[in-house]
Parts: sequence; C-alpha cells; structure tokens
Amino acid sequence: DSGVTQTPKHLITATGQRVTLRCSPRSGDLSVYWYQQSLDQGLQFLIQYYNGEERAKGNILERFSAQQFPDLHSELNLSSLELGDSALYFCASSDGGVVYNEQFFGPGTRLTVL
Amino acid sequence: TQLLEQSPQFLSIQEGENLTVYCNSSSVFSSLQWYRQEPGEGPVLLVTVVTGGEVKKLKRLTFQFGDARKDSSLHITAAQPGDTGLYLCAGVRDYKLSFGAGTTVTVRA
Repeated sequence: DSGVTQTPKHLITATGQRVTLRCSPRSGDLSVYWYQQSLDQGLQFLIQYYNGEERAKGNILERFSAQQFPDLHSELNLSSLELGDSALYFCASSDGGVVYNEQFFGPGTRLTVL
Repeated sequence: TQLLEQSPQFLSIQEGENLTVYCNSSSVFSSLQWYRQEPGEGPVLLVTVVTGGEVKKLKRLTFQFGDARKDSSLHITAAQPGDTGLYLCAGVRDYKLSFGAGTTVTVRA
C-alpha cells in the first residue's frame, strides 16, 4: 500500500460524457502527479500540482483539467469523452516539488468509455 | 513515439536464469528511474540513477546508467517467480518524467 488513494476504482461511461477522478496523496506530500496508461501509448505524464499550484504540464488534452485543493487532494476532470480516452489513470504523490523526488503511485482508476 | 525505447518487449524465462532489460534513448536525461508494476497496481520505484556510468545493486538486481546518460540497463540474477511484472524505465528531462513502453517479464517456476 503506497498510501495514495484513488476513487473510483472503475468507471464506465459513454462518449461525450464528463467524469471526475479523485486522488488523496500520502500524508505530508505536497505534490500530486496525474498519469494516463494505455496499451498503445504506455504511461504518459499529464500534469503536476505542488501545494495547490500547477507545476508542470505534459501531454494533457484541452478536454482534461485538474486542480489541487487546500487539503491537497486532487481531482482530474475529463470531458467530452472519446473512446480513445479509455485507459488507466494513475495519481502519484511526492513530498517535494521536483519530478525526481520519489513518487508513490496510487492503485489507479480504470476508465472505460463506451 | 516513445522518448525511451525498451527492449525486449516481452521476456519469459525459467526460475534461476538471468535476464537483462535495456532502456535506450537519443536524449540525455538528468536521472533515470526503474519501476516495477504488477497487474492491478501502480508502478513502484526500484531505483534512481543519477551519474553517468553509475552502477547500483539492489540484492539480485543491478542497474546501470550509461556514461552519456542516454541509456540504462537492468540485470536480474537468478530470477525468481516473484520478479514477474512489468518493468518500466523513466527519464527525467525538462522537469518531467517520460516512461518507456515497458518490458513484461515472466519467470516460470
């Protein structure tokens, strides 16, 4: 158990819909990272927040957005969903704000878009 | 296109055999990490290598960072069924972590 929690574990929805994925970092960690893992693209970095502010951006689509709240939990919002958005979405946390700090990954949310 | 190319994609060996996984790129990385991921779980960090030419040993696992900091390898000695999993390398560049596609290792008892 990494100490990072993600909800829900599974999510099935239809194209065009909007969903919200939630992540609670390890106690004391200030950074939250979001990743997408699919069979064809592998594990792709989406975005990082540090203490409530966006720190780094990766291959995140404009239809996707994220935020980190004062209690440090984070949400990833995915809208206008397409079939290709079906993937595992991981959240990771670290105590520092730099990417080479050890990141602890949550168990992931499996999103299926039908 | 992956910034980091891992080979082989799949590896199936008998318990007790040795194996090596390679991670190559044309780009230079400030550091390189290796993760292992088991089905239904998130990746778990095994090691971080920072200096070109660095070799780190973790029990039966040996990690090497290339002199030019563009490539790395993971060698497992006397593999055990518990070593089964997806091995991912990840490079730090421009304040972001870029992952390879992974090598699926199966160790048969």
